Amino acid sequence: DAKTTQPNSMESNEEEPVHLPCNHSTISGTDYIHWYRQLPSQGPEYVIHGLTSNVNNRMASLAIAEDRKSSTLILHRATLRDAAVYYCILRDNDYKLSFGAGTTVTVRA
Amino acid sequence: NAGVTQTPKFRILKIGQSMTLQCTQDMNHNYMYWYRQDPGMGLKLIYYSVGAGITDKGEVPNGYNVSRSTTEDFPLRLELAAPSQTSVYFCASRFSPSGSLINNEQYFGPGTRLTVT
Repeated sequence: DAKTTQPNSMESNEEEPVHLPCNHSTISGTDYIHWYRQLPSQGPEYVIHGLTSNVNNRMASLAIAEDRKSSTLILHRATLRDAAVYYCILRDNDYKLSFGAGTTVTVRA
Repeated sequence: NAGVTQTPKFRILKIGQSMTLQCTQDMNHNYMYWYRQDPGMGLKLIYYSVGAGITDKGEVPNGYNVSRSTTEDFPLRLELAAPSQTSVYFCASRFSPSGSLINNEQYFGPGTRLTVT
């Protein structure tokens, strides 16, 4: 199974951008890169996903390196509600997501 | 849509007791999943189902059983509760057209916090 590596934690100030890195050097050509986040005492929620090209949605942007061995989730203006654990996941197959420990994001007011 | 709902929200069991965690989704999703999350850890897959009548084991299936008689419901059964099963349990669902590898998102329920003492 392809694995990802993320920093344990990151801090940001409110209304500043947050860049969350993820390394996935053993990614295969058909693995999609998914990001989920988990707010305190809640189930995970989908953030964004991509294959090769950069992706944008209302929650975040996903920048994927040209060799696909790393990616960065960008929260453009962090709010206190963005404090959560962020998981970078490679879809192993069609069936399941494999969650690691993720990055705990703290947002300072 | 209510999305993915789970009951109960909290439960305390004594060692050796049995219980069923309920999960229902109203989005007509064919795939459903059960995960557990221990404190400070990521989620681990217990069982999953790709459609009614079809289930398969995930990473940590020991001590659990599932069934999928309808598209909407995917209950998780604990037969002989053990302290090691103290965890938060999340149910999730996803739609994937048959034979397709579309990478769409999973929707998670709010979780059931289970304590076995």
